[in-house]
Amino acid sequence: GDSVTQMEGPVTLSEEAFLTINCTYTATGYPSLFWYVQYPGEGLQLLLKATKADDKGSNKGFEATYRKETTSFHLEKGSVQVSDSAVYFCALSDAKGGRRALTFGSGTRLQVQP
Amino acid sequence: DVKVTQSSRYLVKRTGEKVFLECVQDMDHENMFWYRQDPGLGLRLIYFSYDVKMKEKGDIPEGYSVSREKKERFSLILESASTNQTSMYLCASSFSLGPNQPQHFGDGTRLSIL
Repeated sequence: GDSVTQMEGPVTLSEEAFLTINCTYTATGYPSLFWYVQYPGEGLQLLLKATKADDKGSNKGFEATYRKETTSFHLEKGSVQVSDSAVYFCALSDAKGGRRALTFGSGTRLQVQP
Repeated sequence: DVKVTQSSRYLVKRTGEKVFLECVQDMDHENMFWYRQDPGLGLRLIYFSYDVKMKEKGDIPEGYSVSREKKERFSLILESASTNQTSMYLCASSFSLGPNQPQHFGDGTRLSIL
């Protein structure tokens, strides 16, 4: 079945450092890929998405490129801020796999220190 | 903006009690979902509903049931609560089940079973 693997956290960075959170996936069809963010005490918010190979999703300085050849969707940001401290979830939606809901990774906690 | 409202942020119940978690969305979405979130496991789908009175089991439906009598409301029921159901519960909704459709989440209910 479908699955999403994320790098384990926590990831601890200093402010203005470069961020990469790795995400790889396994899917039977051609999934859409998502990054969600969960700030402390809140639910998940959609951060960005990509619906086909080579698409780049971007929002709030974060970017991720849908790489079909490596089945990856790594999240990057050039300069993190303390306010980016949160848990980040990679997810996929694969209609051809017959599953009609999102499959999530286990989440990666990011801690940004001033 | 889509608003998904969960009735309680924190809930404490006793083993064996029947527990109701309520979720309401205000955007006329067809689909609603219940997940539980546990450390290191990410989000796991319990049940979802794609229409009024329609439901489908997710990955971990055992010990849970759901009810959707009105389009805007989706209830999760723990028939006889047990300590292993202590968790964070997240409700979500989406416009359609198409692979490109993101899900919109509530802020979660942190449930403790004593």
